[in-house]
Amino acid sequence: SAVISQKPSRDICQRGTSLTIQCQVDSQVTMMFWYRQQPGQSLTLIATANQGSEATYESGFVIDKFPISRPNLTFSTLTVSNMSPEDSSIYLCSGLGGQGGTEAFFGQGTRLTVV
Amino acid sequence: GNSVTQMEGPVTLSEEAFLTINCTYTATGYPSLFWYVQYPGEGLQLLLKATKADDKGSNKGFEATYRKETTSFHLEKGSVQVSDSAVYFCALQPNTGFQKLVFGTGTRLLVSP
Repeated sequence: SAVISQKPSRDICQRGTSLTIQCQVDSQVTMMFWYRQQPGQSLTLIATANQGSEATYESGFVIDKFPISRPNLTFSTLTVSNMSPEDSSIYLCSGLGGQGGTEAFFGQGTRLTVV
Repeated sequence: GNSVTQMEGPVTLSEEAFLTINCTYTATGYPSLFWYVQYPGEGLQLLLKATKADDKGSNKGFEATYRKETTSFHLEKGSVQVSDSAVYFCALQPNTGFQKLVFGTGTRLLVSP
């Protein structure tokens, strides 16, 4: 299956600043997603990254806080804006590939700590 | 709506013990079902999957059978190893519309020597 390289793997940031997380896929994928995994919790979908158009956000997530770009079929970024300690989480990107293009694979995750 | 329910952890076992992690789901139609594993400090990796009723997914000694009648997809392994210590997530993917994964809450497995 395809491989996603996600960076940074971890960061410690000051509150009020922003961090951009990048995901590069080694092949073209039709759909990419961004998830948040808060400490001890399951994965929560933030948004679907659409190539060439605005991302589709899930309830409770907004573009001003989590702007997403997807300029082509192999790359996407998620920015966590104006961070607060509550944003401390693991952020994961995901793509659909594999047989039939329906199998989800994940980046290694970005462990974000906001102080 | 679609949902996945997993047994709460942590599950603590000795090496070579038998493992079962329960997973049940609620969905319309016939979703695909997955188990993902997350080792400490890493992202999620697909462990196994099943796409239709009575399918059995298997990988690395782990197995799970898609049971439509009980809406279950329990994960089993006959003999666990210390290296199996991780968090295991059950997930479903609807077979219509937007193919977003729905995850369970995860079950932490701790295997001691």
